[in-house]
Amino acid sequence: NAGVTQTPKFQVLKTGQSMTLQCAQDMNHNSMYWYRQDPGMGLRLIYYSASEGTTDKGEVPNGYNVSRLNKREFSLRLESAAPSQTSVYFCASSEWGASGELFFGEGSRLTVL
Amino acid sequence: AQSVSQHNHHVILSEAASLELGCNYSYGGTVNLFWYVQYPGQHLQLLLKYFSGDPLVKGIKGFEAEFIKSKFSFNLRKPSVQWSDTAEYFCAVTPSGAGSYQLTFGKGTKLSVIP
Repeated sequence: NAGVTQTPKFQVLKTGQSMTLQCAQDMNHNSMYWYRQDPGMGLRLIYYSASEGTTDKGEVPNGYNVSRLNKREFSLRLESAAPSQTSVYFCASSEWGASGELFFGEGSRLTVL
Repeated sequence: AQSVSQHNHHVILSEAASLELGCNYSYGGTVNLFWYVQYPGQHLQLLLKYFSGDPLVKGIKGFEAEFIKSKFSFNLRKPSVQWSDTAEYFCAVTPSGAGSYQLTFGKGTKLSVIP
């Protein structure tokens, strides 16, 4: 059982380049999330999708866009990467109403030079 | 909006020592509380949760946490740590009944257990 799968696991970009992080879950969850994790900052929510067809901003959405492609997949796009976006990105999923019980992917480490 | 404070940034213990990691939250209403753990190089996983009822909750791998409402605290404990408990621990809170998008994480406490 794969759970939440993210690709790629590692990526190095130059400032100004674009890229998309992919996330897929096989638990039939309604809700999906993108977080970033920075040292000493904990996890901060970038965007979330409560259900297929909806997306909403989280705490730190600037510089990112998302697409909820279908119930399984939720992608995060950096249109013009900046060094401040160097981070570890985690995708997560949950049942709507699960109120905090999240299932996380293994993370994608992004470095922007 | 709620907030979470974890008192210790880095805790170093010897094997068999007892562990207590502090977590305090700020929110005026009822809450759901969580501890997540991130082992080196791995994703976060749920360690334990409190929604209501018995304020002492037990999780996986011998961990437990006690919700003290009057102190707005949800401290994580383990009587005897093992080297394999080396990880980063995150306390998190969300208002009761709220969607998971309202989950707020603390900044984390890194635990290093020395064999």
